[in-house]
Amino acid sequence: DAGVTQSPTHLIKTRGQQVTLRCSPKSGHDTVSWYQQALGQGPQFIFQYYEEEERQRGNFPDRFSGHQFPNYSSELNVNALLLGDSALYLCASSLATGAPNSPLHFGNGTRLTVT
Amino acid sequence: AQSVTQLGSHVSVSEGALVLLRCNYSSSVPPYLFWYVQYPNQGLQLLLKYTSAATLVKGINGFEAEFKKSETSFHLTKPSAHMSDAAEYFCAVSEDFGNEKLTFGTGTRLTIIP
Repeated sequence: DAGVTQSPTHLIKTRGQQVTLRCSPKSGHDTVSWYQQALGQGPQFIFQYYEEEERQRGNFPDRFSGHQFPNYSSELNVNALLLGDSALYLCASSLATGAPNSPLHFGNGTRLTVT
Repeated sequence: AQSVTQLGSHVSVSEGALVLLRCNYSSSVPPYLFWYVQYPNQGLQLLLKYTSAATLVKGINGFEAEFKKSETSFHLTKPSAHMSDAAEYFCAVSEDFGNEKLTFGTGTRLTIIP
């Protein structure tokens, strides 16, 4: 049973560029959440997607956007990259109708470095 | 707004000794609390969760946590540390049960001394 998979594992971009990160949820899950984990910090909630729509959003600027596809996979897009966007980006999936007993399953993350 | 504070960014214990990782929460409503573990270059794994069913919560790998409302605490313990417990531990809170929008603490790095 495949867990949450994220690609790529590592990425280096230059300031001002745009980046797209990808996430495939655990089999059977329909909800995807994205978190940003800066070095030495706890993860911070970016947003959550369910039924191809953004359901919740954290305190992140509009440069951060996302998408969910009919197969429940998701993309995180960041425009006009800043040095401060360097972080580990974590994707987590869950089953909406399985809550409250459905825990979040996290992927191993994408390490983004902005130079 | 809800928040959690983890006291001690680094904790070192000897193998076989008691592990105690501290977490205090701030919440205007009954909180839902979680402990996650993160091994190097990996994502987060749920250790245990408090959902108001019982104040003492048992999790995986021999860990447990006790919810104390009077102290606004949810400390994580393990009676006997093992080398494989070395990792980063995060306490987290959510607004309501089943809400995947978690607010995490800054983490505690646990080192096990042989």
